[in-house]
Amino acid sequence: DAMVIQNPRYQVTQFGKPVTLSCSQTLNHNVMYWYQQKSSQAPKLLFHYYDKDFNNEADTPDNFQSRRPNTSFCFLDIRSPGLGDAAMYLCATSPRTAQETQYFGPGTRLLVL
Amino acid sequence: SQQGEEDPQALSIQEGENATMNCSYKTSINNLQWYRQNSGRGLVHLILIRSNEREKHSGRLRVTLDTSKKSSSLLITASRAADTASYFCATDANSWGKLQFGAGTQVVVTP
Repeated sequence: DAMVIQNPRYQVTQFGKPVTLSCSQTLNHNVMYWYQQKSSQAPKLLFHYYDKDFNNEADTPDNFQSRRPNTSFCFLDIRSPGLGDAAMYLCATSPRTAQETQYFGPGTRLLVL
Repeated sequence: SQQGEEDPQALSIQEGENATMNCSYKTSINNLQWYRQNSGRGLVHLILIRSNEREKHSGRLRVTLDTSKKSSSLLITASRAADTASYFCATDANSWGKLQFGAGTQVVVTP
């Protein structure tokens, strides 16, 4: 089945130690999104790619970076995780941008010690 | 800032009962979408309703949209224990499809 896959499902890192979360999709969608969701809160968009075009949200901290080496894969890099970065990170895709359903992966829960 | 505000924040019902949750938003929209999230999991798309539509159905789900009041409702009929989840509304209000999510309604269905 076509799907959005996130690895790992759980990630534990140390304060200040760089961490990379990965997302892959078999849907061949043009757009990939990264969201941060803290406990009992709404998902918050960090950035998105339309093909190779990167779009950063204005309030996304510089500590968060992303890479999309090809259509199928997208990575979220947190350069120096702080305790406040502990959250669920959700990857999503859509065929195009406007007026489309987004397809979410199962998420990666990040714990910062 | 959040575009959608959901009401109630939490809802507890018994199997077989109906569950209704509401979403209000602030600006004009292209469409409004409802998603479900089981605990510790990703979001699953339920229904997309466009700004020129007033009602949509999908199985036991019914969504209404009132653009004059900037509000939407999600009705789950004949609820089941498996419907236990958080339900989020999300509005698509700009040209490139950015979704803004509400804080969600946590629904618990007890057998």
